[in-house]
Amino acid sequence: SQTIHQWPATLVQPVGSPLSLECTVEGTSNPNLYWYRQAAGRGLQLLFYSVGIGQISSEVPQNLSASRPQDRQFILSSKKLLLSDSGFYLCAGTTRGETQYFGPGTRLLVL
Amino acid sequence: AQKVTQAQTEISVVEKEDVTLDCVYETRDTTYYLFWYKQPPSGELVFLIRRNSFDEQNEISGRYSWNFQKSTSSFNFTITASQVVDSAVYFCALSEAERGSGYALNFGKGTSLLVTP
Repeated sequence: SQTIHQWPATLVQPVGSPLSLECTVEGTSNPNLYWYRQAAGRGLQLLFYSVGIGQISSEVPQNLSASRPQDRQFILSSKKLLLSDSGFYLCAGTTRGETQYFGPGTRLLVL
Repeated sequence: AQKVTQAQTEISVVEKEDVTLDCVYETRDTTYYLFWYKQPPSGELVFLIRRNSFDEQNEISGRYSWNFQKSTSSFNFTITASQVVDSAVYFCALSEAERGSGYALNFGKGTSLLVTP
């Protein structure tokens, strides 16, 4: 079964600073990969998904970007963080149509 | 438009009570998948069940059971004889095979379940 790794677990960053969150997948090849954000209030929002290396689809226009430099690596970035970027970021992976498994998440606080 | 609706924001029950979490979904796809995830206080999403649109058979796993009814677009989750460890936020989610969104999940807003001793 696949395992999703994310780091760091917690991050406190000042407004205007850059961001890089990394996600890697074990136990599967050519997965679909996803970034979700959970803001205060619990709702989970899809930010980006990728069906292959270099292929990124954005669901919500925002201050963030994503990249997939390798088959099992998915990176979430920002050049300048905003206060509204605070939240809980979850990476997930799946093989087509199968169950999405989630990483442990990164709690980001922008001050 | 919200594709997955979890009308119950918070539910509080006493241990050993049965509790049902409601989920109503909306889709035009004929092929889709429904999920339930549990989010304990630690934050990680724990997979509970996956159902495809062609399989309406209800499922039971220990104290957990799921009732999938396409006629009412519902996928309800029942916990029998609830325990304190069941306290968590529970999410229902929909994945549409035909939409071209890479099987991304549309989540409901979650139901926070509190089980007290």
